[in-house]
Amino acid sequence: GQSLEQPSEVTAVEGAIVQINCTYQTSGFYGLSWYQQHDGGAPTFLSYNALDGLEETGRFSSFLSRSDSYGYLLLQELQMKDSASYFCAVRINQGGKLIFGQGTELSVKP
Amino acid sequence: DTAVSQTPKYLVTQMGNDKSIKCEQNLGHDTMYWYKQDSKKFLKIMFSYNNKELIINETVPNRFSPKSPDKAHLNLHINSLELGDSAVYFCASSQVTPTGVPTGELFFGEGSRLTVL
Repeated sequence: GQSLEQPSEVTAVEGAIVQINCTYQTSGFYGLSWYQQHDGGAPTFLSYNALDGLEETGRFSSFLSRSDSYGYLLLQELQMKDSASYFCAVRINQGGKLIFGQGTELSVKP
Repeated sequence: DTAVSQTPKYLVTQMGNDKSIKCEQNLGHDTMYWYKQDSKKFLKIMFSYNNKELIINETVPNRFSPKSPDKAHLNLHINSLELGDSAVYFCASSQVTPTGVPTGELFFGEGSRLTVL
């Protein structure tokens, strides 16, 4: 079977840094993606790691360690608008099939 | 211009009815998907088409039938609706690399919220 584990909830204050972890056990692995979803909205793509290491895009960074089947999303200088659900997703085959984690609800407090 | 658009945005219907959701993308992508998001926000892939050809067909009841008339459109028809079909259905598309492999980036539509009474 396929499983992705991420915390269900995280709370942080404005201006802080938060890390959302994701561990996975899947039948195949081609890369790890992160998506953000606001209530009532569509998931929007944040990052994709196919190789080990850190990828930085503005305030958001994503890390992957394939040997540990582990990745994380790092959000810096948190803003209220970052309150949303964050999903990790593993691409498990060449056909582009993405398996999503259950999502982490991030609440940013003033 | 909306990149991935789906209609209708909301659907309320009775058990046993048949309904369709339409999806169109103007990104020029070759691959399109249907995902179902349940009340716990779990996103599960249902189908994927690459250039009108079905490439992913998860263990979805055969009451669900996707149709792709061309690579920019992917519709979902659901027969004999059941209470458990209530969910948000997302259409998505993705680009492929020069070697023809989909990337890890999906572009989602705004979702179609289906409520079965």
